[in-house]
Amino acid sequence: QKEVEQDPGPLSVPEGAIVSLNCTYSNSAFQYFMWYRQYSRKGPELLMYTYSSGNKEDGRFTAQVDKSSKYISLFIRDSQPSDSATYLCAFRGGYNKLIFGAGTRLAVHP
Amino acid sequence: GAVVSQHPSWVICKSGTSVKIECRSLDFQATTMFWYRQFPKQSLMLMATSNEGSKATYEQGVEKDKFLINHASLTLSTLTVTSAHPEDSSFYICSARDDKPGGNQYFGPGTRLLVL
Repeated sequence: QKEVEQDPGPLSVPEGAIVSLNCTYSNSAFQYFMWYRQYSRKGPELLMYTYSSGNKEDGRFTAQVDKSSKYISLFIRDSQPSDSATYLCAFRGGYNKLIFGAGTRLAVHP
Repeated sequence: GAVVSQHPSWVICKSGTSVKIECRSLDFQATTMFWYRQFPKQSLMLMATSNEGSKATYEQGVEKDKFLINHASLTLSTLTVTSAHPEDSSFYICSARDDKPGGNQYFGPGTRLLVL
């Protein structure tokens, strides 16, 4: 079993749709959960950061962590074409290393 | 805040030459930086952890003599690809972890290397 599972997509949605991105993980020791956005040919950009279980909202973005199910989600409301990118979930492991999911490619079309 | 720069942003070189890539944290100190490589449509692969004042820690399968890392200060780490070959062509990305308690990791914009 992979340590992190993330559907690579691609996911195509119309402008204005609600987008749901998800990752599952197997290591119950993970406490820090992150979502990065990566545009083509650019470095990843930290989008959301959550410690332990619960929800966190920032503008159109909501991150959810369910530690009991080892499942994290990122919701994007009122999606825009500028949201088209690859979204990577990440978990902080030992020695502060980040363990990444495969990334989900999202395309929001007008 | 939390800006990480990389230089150069892209480089083309001949096979057999060495290439140095710089990673700088511009507005925070980073005792620990990380070097990744990324192939098209794939996720990031951690190559090594760079520690200021000590030797880098390499991931399994990464040749330390091939990919030399120097963490010269709290804001600068360099990756040198020695005797580069076409298979070293990739997108190299660094990240820097903010030294403040609970600090996050921030990524540079990446360096695209093409070895002819």
